[in-house]
Amino acid sequence: EVQLVESGGGLVKPGGSLRLSCAASGFTFSNYNMNWVRQAPGKGLERVSSISSSSSYIYYADSVKGRFTISRDNARNSLDLQMNSLRAEDTAVYYCAGGILTDVFAIWGQGTMVTVSS
Amino acid sequence: QSALTQPASVSGSPGQSITISCTGTSSDVGDYNYVSWYQQYPGKAPKLMIYEVSNRPSGVSNRFSGSKSGNTASLTISGLQAEDEADYYCNSYTSSNTLVFGGGTKLTVL
Repeated sequence: EVQLVESGGGLVKPGGSLRLSCAASGFTFSNYNMNWVRQAPGKGLERVSSISSSSSYIYYADSVKGRFTISRDNARNSLDLQMNSLRAEDTAVYYCAGGILTDVFAIWGQGTMVTVSS
Repeated sequence: QSALTQPASVSGSPGQSITISCTGTSSDVGDYNYVSWYQQYPGKAPKLMIYEVSNRPSGVSNRFSGSKSGNTASLTISGLQAEDEADYYCNSYTSSNTLVFGGGTKLTVL
């Protein structure tokens, strides 16, 4: 079964850090471009960060540039998002999503909630 | 980069056809055939329904179709069913090498 499973979400104070992880199974992870897409409560979707299959290309939305770091380990079929200097506006469900075609999110995880609040 | 414009809501009766529009600019929808559509049920992850304007992934019903004219892309659902009631989001590649989403459309099946 094709699956992405996120973990690492939770409640953190403003200025704090959190590391999200995404475990992939059921497909050839190393062939897929991977992304983190978030959705604030009651809002739409926003692509936060992307990493190409070989990690040669990395993208960050302006809203997280300099604070978030995406990485992947193809040997472990895993994707991570290190989030530092968190702000209230980072509060959202964070989805791990992947696809062979660039910017096409064919596979999605169930999401993990990140709440930034004092 | 401004978000793509979608109607906040659309509705239709079972069996009818509905169309959801997604309006951008000549710097995104109008200039690239890289428009995707996603379906999302409340509390669930989005699901890819259409990519590259009109391509359907394996397993997606052929009742779903996509098209584009100028700066506006469209998702059409024919033979509307109760299970189609969900939120729908479009996105497009942009000339700034980014991806922009629409604000989402809530589809109600009457």
